Amino acid sequence: DTAVSQTPKYLVTQMGNDKSIKCEQNLGHDTMYWYKQDSKKFLKIMFSYNNKELIINETVPNRFSPKSPDKAHLNLHINSLELGDSAVYFCASSHRTGGGNTIYFGEGSWLTVV
Amino acid sequence: AQSVTQPDIHITVSEGASLELRCNYSYGATPYLFWYVQSPGQGLQLLLKYFSGDTLVQGIKGFEAEFKRSQSSFNLRKPSVHWSDAAEYFCAVGGNRDDKIIFGKGTRLHILP
Repeated sequence: DTAVSQTPKYLVTQMGNDKSIKCEQNLGHDTMYWYKQDSKKFLKIMFSYNNKELIINETVPNRFSPKSPDKAHLNLHINSLELGDSAVYFCASSHRTGGGNTIYFGEGSWLTVV
Repeated sequence: AQSVTQPDIHITVSEGASLELRCNYSYGATPYLFWYVQSPGQGLQLLLKYFSGDTLVQGIKGFEAEFKRSQSSFNLRKPSVHWSDAAEYFCAVGGNRDDKIIFGKGTRLHILP
């Protein structure tokens, strides 16, 4: 059983399109995250939700909109895709918020914008 | 706010040799420290973590790390590497309840046969 699962794993799309990545965790965690990993492997947090409430919202363009229908799901919708959005997007979860909680990652969604 | 530095972008060691990956952090109080490994095409997997207590932490796959407060370091070690250890390694630091976990830029480990 996959603890944090995200779909799709690979996504190739044209500039200007709108796309979504879905994420689900079956660990019973209260907190979920979206991280972006660029081509240089730099991993940066984008959003964090705790019990469906937005906790962290880094300086991410408004084109990125997370949605958490319940605490086991956190989806990421991206409008008007740009070339610079090409990256690997990781969904993750932890028991609670805060720096002392182990984060569990999904396997990533490879987004390529052409 | 906390920060973390991994000074080495790439490290190459021979199979069977010992390994040490460096990690330095900045945080005003006792940090929470983590090491994660990312194999090609995969997500990040937790190797080990330090919260408090014994400063030498044992992890999975034969890895260990030592927290040295005086040097603000949390270096990862393995006495004998295997070809399957080739991967990207990330050090991460977390603060108090309201702080997020910050990741270093990673160290790519290459293994020579």
